Amino acid sequence: SAVISQKPSRDICQRGTSLTIQCQVDSQVTMMFWYRQQPGQSLTLIATANQGSEATYESGFVIDKFPISRPNLTFSTLTVSNMSPEDSSIYLCSAKLAGGRADTQYFGPGTRLTVL
Amino acid sequence: AQSVTQLDSHVSVSEGTPVLLRCNYSSSYSPSLFWYVQHPNKGLQLLLKYTSAATLVKGINGFEAEFKKSETSFHLTKPSAHMSDAAEYFCVANTGGFKTIFGAGTRLFVKA
Repeated sequence: SAVISQKPSRDICQRGTSLTIQCQVDSQVTMMFWYRQQPGQSLTLIATANQGSEATYESGFVIDKFPISRPNLTFSTLTVSNMSPEDSSIYLCSAKLAGGRADTQYFGPGTRLTVL
Repeated sequence: AQSVTQLDSHVSVSEGTPVLLRCNYSSSYSPSLFWYVQHPNKGLQLLLKYTSAATLVKGINGFEAEFKKSETSFHLTKPSAHMSDAAEYFCVANTGGFKTIFGAGTRLFVKA
């Protein structure tokens, strides 16, 4: 199994600023992901964090707005840039130990972001 | 197209009565199926998963789910609801590769 921690757990930010969210996994994992969960909604995949290379973004998400780093197998960051109130959401880090379809996906506790 | 449909956005039960949360999937391939629970202000916790072994899967906290290929369903059940079961539940599928498909979620309310 894998235990995932995120920092910060929550933040209130001003419009136009940026916030970097950190994700740490206690095991070496093959795949790491970032999701957004808007209030009362399901999870939407932002991107897959690739070790040592650029992240793979889903439709509707771009690197300039959501730059992602993954310097090693256990750590990743997501930055929410030039924030607006529409970015208020929960951001969740997720990881899989291997890449198979039967492999369990683990989730961090989330970072609750409010943009004023 | 692959999809996961949770048939109820809200389910309300009384404490001590059975719970049924419904999930249907659409896939060209045999999927792996998961149920996760999310308590308020928490991340997602795995309840159980189906990966092509036994079709009746037992999970944590007394939950179980049955994979029915003929009905393309993976409904989550529990014989007796507890107040602590009140949460959001997500049915999730992985049909191959690393792309995971989430259902819209079902919020379970448990009345005393």
